[in-house]
Amino acid sequence: TQLLEQSPQFLSIQEGENLTVYCNSSSVFSSLQWYRQEPGEGPVLLVTVVTGGEVKKLKRLTFQFGDARKDSSLHITAAQPGDTGLYLCAGLKSSGDKLTFGTGTRLAVRP
Amino acid sequence: DAGITQSPRHKVTETGTPVTLRCHQTENHRYMYWYRQDPGHGLRLIHYSYGVKDTDKGEVSDGYSVSRSKTEDFLLTLESATSSQTSVYFCAISKLAGLTDTQYFGPGTRLTVL
Repeated sequence: TQLLEQSPQFLSIQEGENLTVYCNSSSVFSSLQWYRQEPGEGPVLLVTVVTGGEVKKLKRLTFQFGDARKDSSLHITAAQPGDTGLYLCAGLKSSGDKLTFGTGTRLAVRP
Repeated sequence: DAGITQSPRHKVTETGTPVTLRCHQTENHRYMYWYRQDPGHGLRLIHYSYGVKDTDKGEVSDGYSVSRSKTEDFLLTLESATSSQTSVYFCAISKLAGLTDTQYFGPGTRLTVL
């Protein structure tokens, strides 16, 4: 059972466009993380959100945790080719629990 | 970058043969994890360790075993490889297991079972 569903699964956009990736669940998570993975490498943590409604910004990336802590979104402004990669959300239900990863969104940004 | 290496990086084997993948860390982190990554499934936890000789099963542990005899090494063994175990395997480490702790991933091992 996949507890975290991401949409869209694939996204191909032109450089300079904006995009939003969604991470949804029917379960409540105490914290949620976003990772980016480049081809041939392991995932790298981008951000952790722990409070319902929390918004965090990392340069052109904006992360939001839903009020009910069941969903999250990642918005990229003015995408660049360097943003290309696989984006994974991952949630923890409680401290000491194991991370549950989402299904992933593969982003390609064309120059 | 966290000091995590995985070996081998690529392996092709035949159905029914045993396979062992190695994860080595230089960070002295307590927690170590083995995941597999398949299209459409993200990352799924196979086994994890919370200390030397302390291990537990994850979501997809059938057909896999692990061992951790030293803090720095975590071995994943496929007792008798099957084609369904063709995947990319990632090792990860974390200092703690709290809500905000970071998992650091190795570069992955691509395993093909023919």
